[in-house]
Amino acid sequence: QSALTQPASVSGSPGQSITISCTGTGSDIGAYNYVSWYQQHPGEAPKLIIYDVSHRPAGVSTRFSGSKSGNTASLTISGLQAEDESDYYCSSYSAGTTLFVVFGGGTKLTVL
Amino acid sequence: EVHLVQSGAEMRQPGESLKISCEGSAYSFTTFWIGWVRQRPGKGLELMGIIYPRDSDTTYNSPFHGQVTISADTSISTAYLQWSSLEASDTAVYFCASRATAFDPWHFSGQGTLVTVSS
Repeated sequence: QSALTQPASVSGSPGQSITISCTGTGSDIGAYNYVSWYQQHPGEAPKLIIYDVSHRPAGVSTRFSGSKSGNTASLTISGLQAEDESDYYCSSYSAGTTLFVVFGGGTKLTVL
Repeated sequence: EVHLVQSGAEMRQPGESLKISCEGSAYSFTTFWIGWVRQRPGKGLELMGIIYPRDSDTTYNSPFHGQVTISADTSISTAYLQWSSLEASDTAVYFCASRATAFDPWHFSGQGTLVTVSS
């Protein structure tokens, strides 16, 4: 069981917007603005797409955005494209864990 | 962020030992934490442990303590993950990743190493 809770799957049609939630606790997401999101295509390494809740690394599409409210972080993908079909993982700094990080179980995004 | 290159896929039988590697760029290898992440088939990401190559400070996530050994050789900018006795349940892709501080996200520049344990 993962420390952060994500929906197992979400889906959307091309051009639509979808949001993936990531729920933690007051000891991780709720306490710090160090939430990251990763995109992982089959057979590839995870790619960082959001860090520090809402910041995008260079080269990441502006269609990806992040936010946080209380103990829940969210990843929104606007203008869905076929290439967005992937697995998405959230993570957060967590002072109460051995390695100072907790991960979500992952969400499979299907573009219909 | 450290650019990391991992060793190739491995196949072993249960009970055998294995050591896989993760080579980084020399100029930054000692100033970043290196972590090893397990991903079993169809499953999520599990951070196994981390090492600071400069002083070999190593910490393991509870489920992996005593199950694997993480080490590093700064002379060749390489981190290692090793098993003394593999089990079928160790079948997974293993990624190495880097981060500068505990507050930074992990960067997965390694391509992953598939380890298959089967008799």
